[in-house]
Amino acid sequence: GENVEQHPSTLSVQEGDSAVIKCTYSDSASNYFPWYKQELGKRPQLIIDIRSNVGEKKDQRIAVTLNKTAKHFSLHITETQPEDSAVYFCAANRGSQGNLIFGKGTKLSVKP
Amino acid sequence: GAGVSQSPSNKVTEKGKDVELRCDPISGHTALYWYRQSLGQGLEFLIYFQGNSAPDKSGLPSDRFSAERTGGSVSTLTIQRTQQEDSAVYLCASRSKSGSSYNEQFFGPGTRLTVL
Repeated sequence: GENVEQHPSTLSVQEGDSAVIKCTYSDSASNYFPWYKQELGKRPQLIIDIRSNVGEKKDQRIAVTLNKTAKHFSLHITETQPEDSAVYFCAANRGSQGNLIFGKGTKLSVKP
Repeated sequence: GAGVSQSPSNKVTEKGKDVELRCDPISGHTALYWYRQSLGQGLEFLIYFQGNSAPDKSGLPSDRFSAERTGGSVSTLTIQRTQQEDSAVYLCASRSKSGSSYNEQFFGPGTRLTVL
């Protein structure tokens, strides 16, 4: 079935460094790729998303890149801050339907 | 405006009992999803409702799980004869079918289910 792989599972960086999280997906019909941030005990919240008609999208310190041929997409966070510490989930939509297939998450720790 | 709400926030039950979890989506959102998140794990898709179409139940792990959506709004997820492995946070999300946030799913706070 459809699958989304996410790496790494944990990532520790120093404040001010960059963080990169990578995902691959299997469903060639997927055309929507969101990234969610989940702080401890909180609900997942969308931080950025990308559709398959673009290769890159940026929002301040956060950027997402998509390589549809290779079925890869990545989240880039620059100038990391302690408040960026959370679990980040990538996802891909299941074909033309709305339900999302999620990666297993990356626990990002930003050390002051 | 009000976001997605879920109740109860916490539920502790004994093995073998039935439980009902409730989700109130954002008003006007036509799509509603249930996910399950086990401790330290990702989000596992359970079921998807879209308007008046038949729900996509492909993610339900067993026939003990069922869900309804009445009047195209509130949804109830029912787990019968609960087992300890059902312990998890159950998250509901809703999505608009129009506008600039067409694809974005808005999550509720979840119901933490503990089966003793």
